[in-house]
Amino acid sequence: GAVVSQHPSWVICKSGTSVKIECRSLDFQATTMFWYRQFPKQSLMLMATSNEGSKATYEQGVEKDKFLINHASLTLSTLTVTSAHPEDSSFYICSARDPGRDRAFFGPGTRLTVL
Amino acid sequence: AQKITQTQPGMFVQEKEAVTLDCTYDTSDPSYGLFWYKQPSSGEMIFLIYQGSYDQQNATEGRYSLNFQKARKSANLVISASQLGDSAMYFCAMRVEMGSQGNLIFGKGTKLSVKP
Repeated sequence: GAVVSQHPSWVICKSGTSVKIECRSLDFQATTMFWYRQFPKQSLMLMATSNEGSKATYEQGVEKDKFLINHASLTLSTLTVTSAHPEDSSFYICSARDPGRDRAFFGPGTRLTVL
Repeated sequence: AQKITQTQPGMFVQEKEAVTLDCTYDTSDPSYGLFWYKQPSSGEMIFLIYQGSYDQQNATEGRYSLNFQKARKSANLVISASQLGDSAMYFCAMRVEMGSQGNLIFGKGTKLSVKP
């Protein structure tokens, strides 16, 4: 069964609103989670690395004030897209690294459409 | 710079035949891991197989095997006895250990279509 969940699986919002996406590790504690973005017909690109109890590390070109990441517990990381615009429409996927199994598991993804 | 290259945007294979999906990588880190994921139209990333840089033998998982040629920096995925359900996007990915927290670097992907 799924070991990483994401909620919601899809969301449609109006331009200018904020959207929060949750990523949960279900059967292990994840000190590190990763947020990826995938535009249609493209590959996954790392946006940021989320560390429990500390600030996220953002990749070059990703606006930290626009994509707020909070990793408040060992099983939950959230990504908030603030003041969303149509160009933010994408597929957002999280992954959580399981140190016990030395690999990361992916959530099912969240499809965001900004009108 | 770390990089994954998948040179086949799309591949066709006849049902029950074997197919090889190409992947080459570039890293100066001696310790790394190579992954293959399947992404059907639903979008979920399905883990297929993993090869560590120090593993002596090629990884196998059921119908999937990884042809690891370290000197050539290639990690091709071989799918034997293709099934219609294998039609999907396939991504090769690499994780390096030095200077990272374990994130994956992905190739552009190969779209595999299995013909009945």
